[in-house]
Amino acid sequence: EPEVTQTPSHQVTQMGQEVILRCVPISNHLYFYWYRQILGQKVEFLVSFYNNEISEKSEIFDDQFSVERPDGSNFTLKIRSTKLEDSAMYFCASSEDRLWSPEAFFGQGTRLTVV
Amino acid sequence: AQRVTQPEKLLSVFKGAPVELKCNYSYSGSPELFWYVQYSRQRLQLLLRHISRESIKGFTADLNKGETSFHLKKPFAQEEDSAMYYCALSRPPNSGYALNFGKGTSLLVTP
Repeated sequence: EPEVTQTPSHQVTQMGQEVILRCVPISNHLYFYWYRQILGQKVEFLVSFYNNEISEKSEIFDDQFSVERPDGSNFTLKIRSTKLEDSAMYFCASSEDRLWSPEAFFGQGTRLTVV
Repeated sequence: AQRVTQPEKLLSVFKGAPVELKCNYSYSGSPELFWYVQYSRQRLQLLLRHISRESIKGFTADLNKGETSFHLKKPFAQEEDSAMYYCALSRPPNSGYALNFGKGTSLLVTP
């Protein structure tokens, strides 16, 4: 069964450094997403991406964040200058292009620790 | 503003007992509602969505627009139902299908 895959599973970085989290969505999906979950808090939407552009982003997704689909398979989230509060589990997801209620398929997540 | 509320952080029931996980939402339009589940060490996965009115693994959920609720129910809980359950709301298609999650309820089914 096709799955969304994320790498790495755990990344430790120093405050102020740039990080890139990588995702390979399911191949025939057209919508891609990033969510994050700070420890003990709820899963929060960051951004959705469709047709090579951002379709929606949350207030969390400020200028420090960017997304890219550099080739036909990868979908990346870049954090330009990490802060301690960026420490969280980051989930990538993808879904088909449907008019109603597409199922979002989630990756296993990347645990980002900023020290 | 849209909001999803799951009032119970933890729910513990005995095997064979009925279970109801509560979810209330606030949204002025016509929301689409989902239940996602995360079993131990596994990824988040869709359990069911209101639009398809299906029953998955014995779970059902009815959208009650008057009470703005989408409670998840199962008549006889099983140990393998122990997991984290998230209620989520999505706005109509032009929102990019972003999901707004509740805080989640941890269900523990004990023998």
